[in-house]
Amino acid sequence: DIQMTQSPSTLSASVGDRVTITCRASQSIGNSLAWYQQKPGKAPKLLIYLASSLESGVPPRFSASESGTEFTLSISSLQPDDFAMYYCQQYSRYPYTFGLGTKLEIK
Amino acid sequence: QVQLRESGPGLVKPSQTLSLSCTVSGDSISSGDFSWTWIRQHPGKGLEWIGHIFKTGGTYYNPSLESRVAISVDTSKNHFSLSLTSVTAADTAVYYCARDVTLVGMDVWGQGTTVTVSS
Repeated sequence: DIQMTQSPSTLSASVGDRVTITCRASQSIGNSLAWYQQKPGKAPKLLIYLASSLESGVPPRFSASESGTEFTLSISSLQPDDFAMYYCQQYSRYPYTFGLGTKLEIK
Repeated sequence: QVQLRESGPGLVKPSQTLSLSCTVSGDSISSGDFSWTWIRQHPGKGLEWIGHIFKTGGTYYNPSLESRVAISVDTSKNHFSLSLTSVTAADTAVYYCARDVTLVGMDVWGQGTTVTVSS
């Protein structure tokens, strides 16, 4: 299985901050990577697909990039609604796998 | 817009079979370049991909569950189903169904249903 190593596991930040979450794949996955946001008691929401494409309706303060097997999700100016869990997921090879998640919490 | 909704028992006894359905509304399950996916989330943990089915009936499963899992689709009822046999407490989780767009990811999710395995 492809392992997705996500860091940090917890990130404390303030409204208005810029933050970055990283996900590293254990082998090459091309750009077959998605980012999801999940709030307590809710289903995940797709934010980014193909490593850097913004899903329709997602605010442009979210952006993402890739460099080899390292992928990053950035939020340029944190809003109160952004404090949540974030997961990366590879869909290059079966079984599809997720990172363990990053909890973005208010400092 | 497309909506998904899971249904099924919230409590299953150990060694029995967990059976869930996901009803698709707002579009035909046969349309588009989609697969129909089950994911689960153990209490307080991350996401685990269980498997998915294409409208052709082709399936892919997580090898960790492959001996116990089956996903089927009923196009006449516009729903797809999950069957997980010989359950144990380790199968206690929130189960989500989702639409997976090829080369994009899971863009529509059900609200999730909690399944507890307990006698």
